[in-house]
Amino acid sequence: GEDVEQSLFLSVREGDSSVINCTYTDSSSTYLYWYKQEPGAGLQLLTYIFSNMDMKQDQRLTVLLNKKDKHLSLRIADTQTGDSAIYFCAETGNSGYALNFGKGTSLLVTP
Amino acid sequence: SAVISQKPSRDICQRGTSLTIQCQVDSQVTMMFWYRQQPGQSLTLIATANQGSEATYESGFVIDKFPISRPNLTFSTLTVSNLSPEDSSIYLCSAYGRQTSGKYEQYFGPGTRLTVT
Repeated sequence: GEDVEQSLFLSVREGDSSVINCTYTDSSSTYLYWYKQEPGAGLQLLTYIFSNMDMKQDQRLTVLLNKKDKHLSLRIADTQTGDSAIYFCAETGNSGYALNFGKGTSLLVTP
Repeated sequence: SAVISQKPSRDICQRGTSLTIQCQVDSQVTMMFWYRQQPGQSLTLIATANQGSEATYESGFVIDKFPISRPNLTFSTLTVSNLSPEDSSIYLCSAYGRQTSGKYEQYFGPGTRLTVT
């Protein structure tokens, strides 16, 4: 299957910006997603970007897509302790609907 | 936003038994999926639950082990059969459909945490 790669850990100080990176291999992906999973909780859709876009901003979240390099990033501005969670990058894959997930990046926000 | 509920939220089962997980969506959806999240791992797609026909399984997953039903556009079940400790995972139901925002999104249920002893 196609691979989605993420770094496993990121630690930032409260108030700083966090940048979580993701690379994917399936050039036919229509949508690319960012999900958040807090401990013991389900997956929460944070944001997504259509493959013909370069950037999408939603309040503190900025998604950048470099389709040529198959690189996706999620920037969280003014990171708070409540942002500590695992962040999953996902792409739509061959079916166009079911998702291929990365292994998740564990974000730790320290006071 | 549309809501997905799963039952049970968690269970502890003995080796060799089966567990059936129910997934209920509060609105009609185009597609429903079942994923597995093994401890400390990412999500892996098990199958697409097709309404009125057999599910479409991903490589490495078979109907005898993971029978799936989808009798209508809002409900699906996943059975994990002949349980072994390796089946200990979180099982998540997801749906692709139109949210109240008008956008089509894929959203997830809270998951069912299965422990096999």
